[in-house]
Amino acid sequence: NAGVTQTPKFQVLKTGQSMTLQCAQDMNHEYMSWYRQDPGMGLRLIHYSVGAGITDQGEVPNGYNVSRSTTEDFPLRLLSAAPSQTSVYFCASSYTGASGNTIYFGEGSWLTVV
Amino acid sequence: DAKTTQPNSMESNEEEPVHLPCNHSTISGTDYIHWYRQLPSQGPEYVIHGLTSNVNNRMASLAIAEDRKSSTLILHRATLRDAAVYYCIHSGGGADGLTFGKGTHLIIQP
Repeated sequence: NAGVTQTPKFQVLKTGQSMTLQCAQDMNHEYMSWYRQDPGMGLRLIHYSVGAGITDQGEVPNGYNVSRSTTEDFPLRLLSAAPSQTSVYFCASSYTGASGNTIYFGEGSWLTVV
Repeated sequence: DAKTTQPNSMESNEEEPVHLPCNHSTISGTDYIHWYRQLPSQGPEYVIHGLTSNVNNRMASLAIAEDRKSSTLILHRATLRDAAVYYCIHSGGGADGLTFGKGTHLIIQP
């Protein structure tokens, strides 16, 4: 059981470059989300999705786009990377978005923008 | 701003119980209380959650105050593998996601 899989694990980008962080889950979860974690800080919600075709913004959405064409996949796109987007990114999923559901996290993607 | 208050760090000895406190005075009636932990260089890992009653699972126990404004995560017998940052979160789900504060850095001494 793979759970939540993120790729790549490490990436270095130059300022202005674009890239996509991939996230896939095999648990048939409706709810998926992306968080970023800066050094010594907690996680902050970037975007989330309550089902295929539905996405919405979280706490820190600027500079990021998402789409949800299938239940399994929820890619995060950086259109024009900036040094402020250097962070660790975590994808997460849960059965639904209800408050009592357990959320499962991927292992993280370490992104450095130079 | 984080919606919960936790000590920045705590230290305990191996094989002793650990009580990790959390204050969540702004919790609403339908919010669940969640605890997650994060080991170095890993994603957060679910520990336990509850609504009103105390909860037990194989990892830990969760004691919730009667007014629900605070809770305590109890690790009954700490091991070195329990050294991690522990996050206490209350969530209404959906757009709220999980609002992580800085958590409590738990140090376990052998």
